[in-house]
Amino acid sequence: GNSVTQMEGPVTLSEEAFLTINCTYTATGYPSLFWYVQYPGEGLQLLLKATKADDKGSNKGFEATYRKETTSFHLEKGSVQVSDSAVYFCALSRRGSEKLVFGKGTKLTVNP
Amino acid sequence: DAGVIQSPRHEVTEMGQEVTLRCKPISGHDYLFWYRQTMMRGLELLIYFNNNVPIDDSGMPEDRFSAKMPNASFSTLKIQPSEPRDSAVYFCASSLAGVGQYFGPGTRLTVL
Repeated sequence: GNSVTQMEGPVTLSEEAFLTINCTYTATGYPSLFWYVQYPGEGLQLLLKATKADDKGSNKGFEATYRKETTSFHLEKGSVQVSDSAVYFCALSRRGSEKLVFGKGTKLTVNP
Repeated sequence: DAGVIQSPRHEVTEMGQEVTLRCKPISGHDYLFWYRQTMMRGLELLIYFNNNVPIDDSGMPEDRFSAKMPNASFSTLKIQPSEPRDSAVYFCASSLAGVGQYFGPGTRLTVL
């Protein structure tokens, strides 16, 4: 079946550090891939997405590239801020389906 | 544009009482999803609708839970009777094919 595996957290970084959160997936065919972010006390927000191999999604300084050869969609940011502290979820949807399969989430804390 | 609207934002009730959670999706979106989030179990998909028709309710935990979508702009999730183990944050999300899901702010339910 379809599944998403994220690196275990929590991740703690200092402000301006480089961020990578690993995400790999198992799916048949060519799924769409997503990163969602959840700030404390809020719902999940769509951060970025990619719908085909080699696509790069980007938003608010975050990037992720759809790598079919390694079945990965790692989230990166060159310089994190305290305001980036949140839980990040990787997710996929099968082509033709709107149903999302989520990873377990990775909590990021950025210290000043 | 208004995002997904959920009400109430907080609900405290006693065991055995009926609870009704409400959701207004983003106008024009044709999919609606209900999720539950707890520390222990993470994010769980309960049920989703397409064009007001339930497509997959396999995540509904038991017969005490029911969901309806009488029209394109309104859905309810009802728990009757409620139990303490139903305490969680319940999210509603909506989507239009291919754009990803947009989440509401959630309803925090506490059953005493």
